[in-house]
Amino acid sequence: DGGITQSPKYLFRKEGQNVTLSCEQNLNHDAMYWYRQDPGQGLRLIYYSQIVNDFQKGDIAEGYSVSREKKESFPLTVTSAQKNPTAFYLCAGGIRGTQPQHFGDGTRLSIL
Amino acid sequence: QKEVEQDPGPLSVPEGAIVSLNCTYSNSAFQYFMWYRQYSRKGPELLMYTYSSGNKEDGRFTAQVDKSSKYISLFIRDSQPSDSATYLCAMSAGNQFYFGTGTSLTVIP
Repeated sequence: DGGITQSPKYLFRKEGQNVTLSCEQNLNHDAMYWYRQDPGQGLRLIYYSQIVNDFQKGDIAEGYSVSREKKESFPLTVTSAQKNPTAFYLCAGGIRGTQPQHFGDGTRLSIL
Repeated sequence: QKEVEQDPGPLSVPEGAIVSLNCTYSNSAFQYFMWYRQYSRKGPELLMYTYSSGNKEDGRFTAQVDKSSKYISLFIRDSQPSDSATYLCAMSAGNQFYFGTGTSLTVIP
């Protein structure tokens, strides 16, 4: 089954803890993206990567980090510096450029 | 001013109705225009995408782009209860994507 796979579906973070959200794709897409979705605010771009070993900050990168060691994988770490991490996190992939993105089914992060 | 404006609704229609969903935008550089459907607790699913102006039809769905008015629409004919979801418009220029906040649609049997 081809697509974007995010795990886990639900994640809980304790105060002061870093957590990592997984995103894997088997679509051979060059570009991968992380978005945060909050009610009434739409999708906000956290980080994106156009190629392996390279990534750029999006609009709300503070408190987050990413890596792109393999084309298939683009994990997102929510660090303790992110003071309001409760949200629905979406990973997307696309052909580099302006072609439409395809999304995973998201990870819902909550604070314990 | 936001790059993309979308009426959040909620929109409630009877089964079989024609639904019209709309977005306006301010950046004339946008070239690709997309509509996504998002069910609760799921990721957005690409429904339609068009390049530049014009219409595109796929089954019960029609996407329209009017670049002169900076206005895009998605029409759903013969709406079904399974169409109940949030619909997001999206646009791109270069490597940047911009999303609307979504319109919540409920189709009542």
